[in-house]
Amino acid sequence: AQSVTQLDSHVSVSEGTPVLLRCNYSSSYSPSLFWYVQHPNKGLQLLLKYTSAATLVKGINGFEAEFKKSETSFHLTKPSAHMSDAAEYFCVVSDPLTGGFKTIFGAGTRLFVKA
Amino acid sequence: DTAVSQTPKYLVTQMGNDKSIKCEQNLGHDTMYWYKQDSKKFLKIMFSYNNKELIINETVPNRFSPKSPDKAHLNLHINSLELGDSAVYFCASSPPDRGRDEQYFGPGTRLTVT
Repeated sequence: AQSVTQLDSHVSVSEGTPVLLRCNYSSSYSPSLFWYVQHPNKGLQLLLKYTSAATLVKGINGFEAEFKKSETSFHLTKPSAHMSDAAEYFCVVSDPLTGGFKTIFGAGTRLFVKA
Repeated sequence: DTAVSQTPKYLVTQMGNDKSIKCEQNLGHDTMYWYKQDSKKFLKIMFSYNNKELIINETVPNRFSPKSPDKAHLNLHINSLELGDSAVYFCASSPPDRGRDEQYFGPGTRLTVT
């Protein structure tokens, strides 16, 4: 069975400092992994997607994530936080046995950015 | 030019009532979904539809009945509303060519049952 664990429910950084949001996954198969962002009272937006083409995935707004099979991790990073990055971030794994029709969300990490 | 739209944005109703939430996408996608986000922000898939056919039903109570009149629409009807149904419901769609799991979300419908 697929599962995803976001290791921090809240992360607080200062503007201009690096961001690290941690995600571990469990999958019996080669997974597709995603990061989505949800700004307050908004829908979710896809940040980036891993599908085995390259282990380092670049997304929108300067975010990137590295797939590490040995550690079963897919952590999200950004070199320098901006106030507009404050939002909820979700790590997501797709169940390949369902042909991609079922995705499993992590519990989310709330990112706070201090001025 | 809204990609995935939902109506209404807010819905306040009493226990026992029946209500519907509508979802439309103009992206030409053939797969659509309904998700429920609870008060702790936890997102759980409810249904997946592909070309108007039900693919995934994640043990959702029978009170919830999705209906897809065409590929661009996936509506959610809820009978006999309960307090525990209070949540934000998100509709999403995905294209077949970039992987069905790459999803585009609507803005959500906040349902409050009193």
